[in-house]
Amino acid sequence: GAVVSQHPSRVICKSGTSVKIECRSLDFQATTMFWYRQFPKKSLMLMATSNEGSKATYEQGVEKDKFLINHASLTLSTLTVTSAHPEDSSFYICSAPSSGRAHDTQYFGPGTRLTVL
Amino acid sequence: GDSVTQMEGPVTLSEEAFLTINCTYTATGYPSLFWYVQYPGEGLQLLLKATKADDKGSNKGFEATYRKETTSFHLEKGSVQVSDSAVYFCALSNNNDMRFGAGTRLTVKP
Repeated sequence: GAVVSQHPSRVICKSGTSVKIECRSLDFQATTMFWYRQFPKKSLMLMATSNEGSKATYEQGVEKDKFLINHASLTLSTLTVTSAHPEDSSFYICSAPSSGRAHDTQYFGPGTRLTVL
Repeated sequence: GDSVTQMEGPVTLSEEAFLTINCTYTATGYPSLFWYVQYPGEGLQLLLKATKADDKGSNKGFEATYRKETTSFHLEKGSVQVSDSAVYFCALSNNNDMRFGAGTRLTVKP
């Protein structure tokens, strides 16, 4: 089946630094990818929709200048958390629809645990 | 905008008990509906889906029927096992947009 990878799986950084998280579709092309944030014991929150070749679409309340998304190719989307602070500590997950249409089944990456000290 | 409302947890059941996790949605048009599951220490994975009204998705003994008249997609299983302990997310996809429910943590005790 379709596989989505994320790198790194875990990152610890100092407050004020930037962290880049990669999301790759390994055996299919994805013109659209989604980025989520999962809070402990709470919901999976959609942050933004990453579109290959165009700007990402951010959900209300998500700072686009803080969470930079670049969909550089049909198999890679990156999320950069700029000037990270402890409140940005969370579990970040990406997903991609294998058919290329968001309407279809999503395949999820394993997630990236970000800890900001 | 579109939204998903999911039964709050946590839910604790004994093995072989009947499970229902309620999910209702608000959406324009004709969304696809999904249940995703996250087992402890693992990533999210698709459990089942339905793409049009009256479709029934099923997998691993779980079932959910797309009910347009009640805008619902309740998850059911007749006899749960300890290995079903996980967090279950109801979701919809509509017009290149995804929405998730809050997630329901299920714990099944032997």
